[in-house]
Amino acid sequence: NAGVTQTPKFRILKIGQSMTLQCAQDMNHNYMYWYRQDPGMGLKLIYYSVGAGITDKGEVPNGYNVSRSTTEDFPLRLELAAPSQTSVYFCASRAGTSGGNEQFFGPGTRLTVL
Amino acid sequence: GENVEQHPSTLSVQEGDSAVIKCTYSDSASNYFPWYKQELGKGPQLIIDIRSNVGEKKDQRIAVTLNKTAKHFSLHITETQPEDSAVYFCAASMTGTASKLTFGTGTRLQVTL
Repeated sequence: NAGVTQTPKFRILKIGQSMTLQCAQDMNHNYMYWYRQDPGMGLKLIYYSVGAGITDKGEVPNGYNVSRSTTEDFPLRLELAAPSQTSVYFCASRAGTSGGNEQFFGPGTRLTVL
Repeated sequence: GENVEQHPSTLSVQEGDSAVIKCTYSDSASNYFPWYKQELGKGPQLIIDIRSNVGEKKDQRIAVTLNKTAKHFSLHITETQPEDSAVYFCAASMTGTASKLTFGTGTRLQVTL
């Protein structure tokens, strides 16, 4: 199993540009999450999904959108990028209530908005 | 919502010494407390977790203690080794829902020779 994969690893955007951060997992997990990590801070939840077709906002959803059309994929869309969105983005997945509580994290995408 | 505070923000210990990192949480409904280790350039990885029906859990050199009354939990690493150097995050959540984790701000642990 590859686990949780994220692409790209690095990206530089100009203010106002848009992009999609890709996340995929091959563990057949129901739950998927997007976090952002700012320097010296913990991870903040942006959006999460409890299954295909179901998504909900986390703590810091403004400026982002998500979709979950399949169990495997959970892309994060940034519209009109702003410098405040410069961060490291992590995707995570979890099996579900009967499969344990551990969240498995991808390697992250480092995004810079200039 | 839940708020998790973590201390210290940096910790330097000599190889072989013990390290202790402490966290407090605000929501008494939280019942799951994981600890994650993040190495440079990588995503966080679970190293140990504890549920609220248990006061202590140990896995080799790592242990976690939980005091529900005081709403705090701690990570203990004994006989530290250079490979323990990393950033450690505590987190809290309520199981049975989407298990949304609220993270502490992290502790950078440096183990010196």
